[in-house]
Formats: sequence, C-alpha cells, structure tokens
Amino acid sequence: DADVTQTPRNRITKTGKRIMLECSQTKGHDRMYWYRQDPGLGLRLIYYSFDVKDINKGEISDGYSVSRQAQAKFSLSLESAIPNQTALYFCATSDTGTGETQYFGPGTRLLVL
Amino acid sequence: AQKVTQAQTEISVVEKEDVTLDCVYETRDTTYYLFWYKQPPSGELVFLIRRNSFDEQNEISGRYSWNFQKSTSSFNFTITASQVVDSAVYFCALANAGGTSYGKLTFGQGTILTVHP
Repeated sequence: DADVTQTPRNRITKTGKRIMLECSQTKGHDRMYWYRQDPGLGLRLIYYSFDVKDINKGEISDGYSVSRQAQAKFSLSLESAIPNQTALYFCATSDTGTGETQYFGPGTRLLVL
Repeated sequence: AQKVTQAQTEISVVEKEDVTLDCVYETRDTTYYLFWYKQPPSGELVFLIRRNSFDEQNEISGRYSWNFQKSTSSFNFTITASQVVDSAVYFCALANAGGTSYGKLTFGQGTILTVHP
C-alpha cells in the first residue's frame, strides 16, 4: 500500500462549488503539506502543518482552507471553486529525522468548469 | 528569500546520450538541503536525492550522478547513457534548515527531459 494517499485522484467540478481533497499517510510523519502544480510554474505551497495543532499559510493560500484532523490526515478545501484553481494538487509529508525530505502522494487532478 | 532556477525548460536527447540538468539556487541560510525529484508521465513525484549544505561530496547512484558546488550555488544532475524511461520532468528544490522558512520546499520550474529511442 502507498504511504501517502490522496482522494479523489480526479475531480471535475463547477464554479462556485465547495470541494474537499483528502490526504492520508501511514509514514508516521508529523509534517504535512499541500501544493499545487501549474504548467511552467513548478510546485507552489498552499498550506502546511508541522503538527496537529499547527497550521500555516503558504505562498498561495487565498481561496483555500485546510483541516488537520489527525496526525495522519490533512484535508484541503476550496470553499468556492473558480476556474483558475484548475491544477494538479499534491499532498506531501516529512519528518525532521529525514532531513526535511518530503514524500509526495500521487496527486489529484482538479478541473473547475 | 530563497529561489531555485532551472534554466533549461526542455531538453531532448537520443537514447544512450549523457545529459546534465542544471540547478542554481539562492539562499541566505548557511544550512540547507537540496533535492531532486522526478515526475514521470504518470504524474507522481519521486524523490531521487537529498544533499546537505555541509556535504559537498558528489554522489553517484547507478546511471545518476549529482554535482554539488557551493561556490557557484549549483546542484547539477547528470544521467549517463540515458534511456527512454528517463523521460520525465525533473525538479530541483531547496529547503532551509532553520529560520521562518524551515522545512518548506522551494521548487524550480522543472526541466522536461525527453529521451528518444
């Protein structure tokens, strides 16, 4: 089984809809992250959490919110989806014992119409 | 602020050629980590290597090798005798080991490598 899983893997939604992307990990890592990937822009950090009670904004948090339900679960919500949120979304985890190496989930392809 | 630049947007080679992917970084921190990730056509991100800022020893893993030079702020990645399966997008990334950006990865824009048979 994969160490970092994301659901759904693909999602099509309409402008204005609320959607949630979920991430689960079995690596036992404290730190979790959400990124989005757009062509030619690499990956950009949306939110990150260093433990269950710690949530921090990344460089592009506007229009997004997150919830850290447990050490192993970190969800990303789009409160009112808009077309420019169409992207590939990745969840990642890391642990201080691994020198901040981040391990990524398989990604969620989101299309907002 | 930290920044990672991968100046090569796309590289195209023929199988068995050697290819080097360039990565230049900027950071004010003295302790940091550098990474390379591979994103094959299937879309997942695969961790390839991590290098600590205080360890400039080059590393070789099979056909892959990495050249880290602090003097030029570069962390280049070479694939020897490339194969079609090496076709992917390759990302270089930087994480500071302290300060307000501790633990956060900054990615380069990626280099698309296409290896033709």
